[in-house]
Amino acid sequence: QVQLQESGPGLVKPSQTLSLTCTVSGGSISSGSYYWSWIRQPAGKGLEWIGRIYTSGSTNYNPSLKSRVTISVDTSKNQFSLKLSSVTAADTAVYYCARVHSGSYSDAFDIWGQGTMVTVSS
Amino acid sequence: DIQMTQSPSSLSASVGDRVTITCRASQSISSYLNWYQQKPGKAPKLLIYAASSLQSGVPSRFSGSGSGTDFTLTISSLQPEDFATYYCQQSYSTPDSFGQGTKLEIK
Repeated sequence: QVQLQESGPGLVKPSQTLSLTCTVSGGSISSGSYYWSWIRQPAGKGLEWIGRIYTSGSTNYNPSLKSRVTISVDTSKNQFSLKLSSVTAADTAVYYCARVHSGSYSDAFDIWGQGTMVTVSS
Repeated sequence: DIQMTQSPSSLSASVGDRVTITCRASQSISSYLNWYQQKPGKAPKLLIYAASSLQSGVPSRFSGSGSGTDFTLTISSLQPEDFATYYCQQSYSTPDSFGQGTKLEIK
């Protein structure tokens, strides 16, 4: 059974770079009709899609964050990563990694990590 | 960008009730619509994909319908474990976008 686990610092200073890694276990990150995404959720608010990466390395980002976001994949480690630069308090949120199953009329987030809280504060 | 609007934003209902949540897209998204359930402190869980397909392991009391711009999630008979927040999400065009959520509370 595939599982995802986020890891990284829980506290980041303003203007610095937030770095998170998602480790995929129970299956290969390269297998099947899947790709991989990051999503975040500020406390008490809704879900915001950050971006996605295919195992080819191709990426798409939310235009609202595009200038600050980089998503990368390391297939040898079965991991993908998020970097968000120049963070402010507005970037404080729970960050989720998720697997996307790509099918007919559907690209759905079918497996999620448990989420990791990142606070931006000095 | 495609905007997703859910209604209502919150809903009070009783165990055994039939409940419907609506999601409207700002432009046609065909059937590229998914529904998620989120409980406090937990990650969202996929319930319905492609507007009407039930995710494996999800109880059959959950159903989805619609295409184009208007979609619904129906819970046929509410169970205690169904009280949660529900989100719709479109995957028709980048950026993916979510509705603002519907909080389902116990009456």
